[in-house]
Amino acid sequence: EAGVTQFPSHSVIEKGQTVTLRCDPISGHDNLYWYRRVMGKEIKFLLHFVKESKQDESGMPNNRFLAERTGGTYSTLKVQPAELEDSGVYFCASSSTVAYGKLFFGSGTQLSVL
Amino acid sequence: GESVGLHLPTLSVQEGDNSIINCAYSNSASDYFIWYKQESGKGPQFIIDIRSNMDKRQGQRVTVLLNKTVKHLSLQIAATQPGDSAVYFCAEQYSSASKIIFGSGTRLSIRP
Repeated sequence: EAGVTQFPSHSVIEKGQTVTLRCDPISGHDNLYWYRRVMGKEIKFLLHFVKESKQDESGMPNNRFLAERTGGTYSTLKVQPAELEDSGVYFCASSSTVAYGKLFFGSGTQLSVL
Repeated sequence: GESVGLHLPTLSVQEGDNSIINCAYSNSASDYFIWYKQESGKGPQFIIDIRSNMDKRQGQRVTVLLNKTVKHLSLQIAATQPGDSAVYFCAEQYSSASKIIFGSGTRLSIRP
């Protein structure tokens, strides 16, 4: 069974540019989450999809971040325009259930905004 | 507030000794707790979980203890091995429909 895959693994962009991160969850997992870890700090929740619907987007920092999950399969997270403080590791996770659900994480995308 | 914190950011343990990683949580309504392990270059990996109706749960070489009175969670690793080197995160969920909240992590290093 394939795990959660994320692309790209690394991205280096300049301030003001646009970057799109992609996440392919485990097949059959309705729940998809985006998290971010900045400078060795805690892993911060960004948002949660149930199938194609945004269940909780309370962690999205501002309107420069746009997440989509068309068709309820893979998801994209776009940052436009990117700022220096957006640098960090963006993790995607999926689970089959919400309650007491074990999260399966991808390896993350290391985003560096210069 | 939403906060899962750790007592120590780093922990150094002699190979073969037992490791204890501690975590304090702030939301007394949380009813599900999880420990994740993150190795370099990888995403967090589930280790063990515990629900609030339990105070202890054991896995293979790992034990999680939950003290709801003082809102404290710990992860014990028996006979620590070099492969246990990683950053360990505790996480909580305070309702069956809510997001899982992570703390800042503890780095475990193993001395030969």
